[in-house]
This record gives sequence, structure tokens and C-alpha cells, in this order.
Amino acid sequence: DQQVKQNSPSLSVQEGRISILNCDYTNSMFDYFLWYKKYPAEGPTFLISISSIKDKNEDGRFTVFLNKSAKHLSLHIVPSQPGDSAVYFCAASAGETSGSRLTFGEGTQLTVNP
Amino acid sequence: DVKVTQSSRYLVKRTGEKVFLECVQDMDHENMFWYRQDPGLGLRLIYFSYDVKMKEKGDIPEGYSVSREKKERFSLILESASTNQTSMYLCASSLFADPNGYTFGSGTRLTVV
Repeated sequence: DQQVKQNSPSLSVQEGRISILNCDYTNSMFDYFLWYKKYPAEGPTFLISISSIKDKNEDGRFTVFLNKSAKHLSLHIVPSQPGDSAVYFCAASAGETSGSRLTFGEGTQLTVNP
Repeated sequence: DVKVTQSSRYLVKRTGEKVFLECVQDMDHENMFWYRQDPGLGLRLIYFSYDVKMKEKGDIPEGYSVSREKKERFSLILESASTNQTSMYLCASSLFADPNGYTFGSGTRLTVV
């Protein structure tokens, strides 16, 4: 069963506009959530994270929102830039009980058009 | 910078061959992981290790084994390669209980013919 789901395989936006990537999870034990970015022929790199005690975390152009009751998180990129074009993976961890083991979603291919 | 190095970028093997994928990290991380990435399925955890000689099954361990004889090295072994093991394999390492600290290697694209 897919415990972390990204229902949109792809998203296309114009440069300068907002990109919103969504992620849903089913496991109530997850208490830490992360976004990773992956360019072709490279490994994923950490982008931003959020603990379940918060509902928002911001880092420059990137903001992650967490809605625990809906088991939903989203990544907002504002403004979007062509260099943001990549595959974005949502990931979740069940905290100390998991020893930092991450469960990933399917990924969303973001394309930012100039 | 933490570096995770995977020994091969591309590998082509025949069905039934024994295949070794090697991963080395240089920052004294306790945790090491092997994932495979497939279109539409994302990254799925095969095996992980919290310490030398320790290993834990991930979500899809069937057909794979691992070895961690030294802290810096984590090997993934395909005992008898099959075509459904054609995939991108990603190794990662992290400090214990630090999910932010995952560092991935560049991946090995394995094709089994």
C-alpha cells in the first residue's frame, strides 16, 4: 500500500507564477515530512521539511504547509523559476521509532516554462 | 560536503547473474539505505542498516540481500538478477534519527537483459 501519495505525476507553470505540489499520507505515525528535489542523472537533494508540531515552514521561495487533520501537505514555490524544473518527492518519517527511515511518494515532475 | 559514491553509473547484466552494487560514504554516518526508483512508483526502500553488520528489510527486500562489513560501505546484492530488477538504484546515508540529513548518491542505472 502506498502510504505517501502524490496524485499529480506532472505540473507545468509559467516562470514567475506559483507552483503548488501536493502530497497525502495515510500513516498516522508519520510525524516528520520532507520534500526532495531530483534532477535527471543526479540523486535527490533535501529541499525543506516540517515537523508535525507546526503547520507551516518557510525557506526563501519555498514554503511547506501541513494539514494534520486532512493528512495533507503541500509545497509552494514562489516565484517559480526555470531552474526549479525537476522531479519533487514528498517523504515522511515516523520519528525516532523509525531511526530516520523515509517513505517516499511517487514524485511530481515540475516544468517551469520561461 | 558529505559524499555518497556509487561505484557504477550504468550497468548491464544478464538474467541469472549475481550483481553487486557498491556504495561508499565519507562522513561517518551510521545509517545507510538502498532504494530503487521506478516511474510511477517513486522511491521504494529495499534494505537499510543502522550500524556495521546490522541490516533491516525495507518494503521490497525480495530478491536482494545486503552487506555492511565496514561503516562507510553498504553493498546491495542481487543473488540472481531478473528483468524485473531493471531499475535506478539509489544509495543514501544519514546520521541516526536525522531525516534531514539524507545524502543520496547519483544512482546506478541497472539493466538486466
